[in-house]
Amino acid sequence: SAVISQKPSRDICQRGTSLTIQCQVDSQVTMMFWYRQQPGQSLTLIATANQGSEATYESGFVIDKFPISRPNLTFSTLTVSNMSPEDSSIYLCSVGRDGSYTFGSGTRLTVV
Amino acid sequence: AQSVTQLDSHVSVSEGTPVLLRCNYSSSYSPSLFWYVQHPNKGLQLLLKYTSAATLVKGINGFEAEFKKSETSFHLTKPSAHMSDAAEYFCVVEDDKIIFGKGTRLHILP
Repeated sequence: SAVISQKPSRDICQRGTSLTIQCQVDSQVTMMFWYRQQPGQSLTLIATANQGSEATYESGFVIDKFPISRPNLTFSTLTVSNMSPEDSSIYLCSVGRDGSYTFGSGTRLTVV
Repeated sequence: AQSVTQLDSHVSVSEGTPVLLRCNYSSSYSPSLFWYVQHPNKGLQLLLKYTSAATLVKGINGFEAEFKKSETSFHLTKPSAHMSDAAEYFCVVEDDKIIFGKGTRLHILP
């Protein structure tokens, strides 16, 4: 399975600022996925990122709040913009390969 | 539209006794189904997956799950619980997108 390096692992940010999360995969993948896991909750898909095209956002998530870049087949970033305490969550990236999905170790974001 | 329901938010079993974590799904097609485990402050780990081959799927750490189309279920079982099994378990369905269940927290009693 693919190996994903996600960073930062955690951060504490001031409200109104932005944080960019990076995911690097050890091999080329067509699609990368970004999830949010709110405290004590399950994972919710934010968007799917294909290289060379705009990300596809799920209902309730918009590009202005969560801009995504996918410059090549091994890398993607998710930015959480204009943060508020409600954005405090774990954010994870994921890729699919060989019929299953591998997840990054997550970024634990606390907005104060 | 696809969905996945984990019927129990918490399950407690004694060490050495069987584990049953229940999952029901709905899907328009023949979905792929997964179970993932998340230990405290750790990443998500794939336990097993069903992709329309054998209906009884064996995974890691002694876990297995049976796909029952007539019952639209994919319950996770283990014959004998170990303390290290204490974690959050997610049932996941993949149809046209990936949907996570709300999770079941498994507690192991000594």
